[in-house]
Amino acid sequence: AQSVTQPDIHITVSEGASLELRCNYSYGATPYLFWYVQSPGQGLQLLLKYFSGDTLVQGIKGFEAEFKRSQSSFNLRKPSVHWSDAAEYFCAVTSQSGGYNKLIFGAGTRLAVHP
Amino acid sequence: EPEVTQTPSHQVTQMGQEVILRCVPISNHLYFYWYRQILGQKVEFLVSFYNNEISEKSEIFDDQFSVERPDGSNFTLKIRSTKLEDSAMYFCASKFEGVNRALYYGYTFGSGTRLTVV
Repeated sequence: AQSVTQPDIHITVSEGASLELRCNYSYGATPYLFWYVQSPGQGLQLLLKYFSGDTLVQGIKGFEAEFKRSQSSFNLRKPSVHWSDAAEYFCAVTSQSGGYNKLIFGAGTRLAVHP
Repeated sequence: EPEVTQTPSHQVTQMGQEVILRCVPISNHLYFYWYRQILGQKVEFLVSFYNNEISEKSEIFDDQFSVERPDGSNFTLKIRSTKLEDSAMYFCASKFEGVNRALYYGYTFGSGTRLTVV
């Protein structure tokens, strides 16, 4: 069955520190991969997406993610975290066949940033 | 940038009442979705809708739920008889899929409707 695992439920980092949020997926074929961010009480904002080609993708707000097929991973990174990055982060996957295919979300990682 | 609009942002209803959650997807999008997120939990798929019919639904989407695109712009989720466990944030999403998927593929989510059943 298709699934997304985000092993870290909560992460706390200091402002200015680097960040890596982990995401592993289980899928029958190469999927499309996404990272979304959700601020408290808000909707889901797309940070970045991977379809094919360069395995390192750049997103908004200084985030990047690297697709590693051998590890079935799509980890999100940021070199220097800002206090405004405190939010919940969701990794999601869908099929490359397109059409009405749904997004499958991981359970999320809640990021806290210490000043 | 085009947005998916959801109304109301917050709705409180009594158990057993019917509620309709409304969404206006992005105008050139063809695929529509409803998701829900119970407080503190993951975002769960409810239903996908394409070409005026349901494409796929989850086991959560039982006979109490229905969706409709009544006028070519709105996309609604109806819960016929709400239960306490229906309390959640409900997200509408729409998707555009162009010929070059890498350029155009993406799901856009609304800001959600927080449904509280009392």
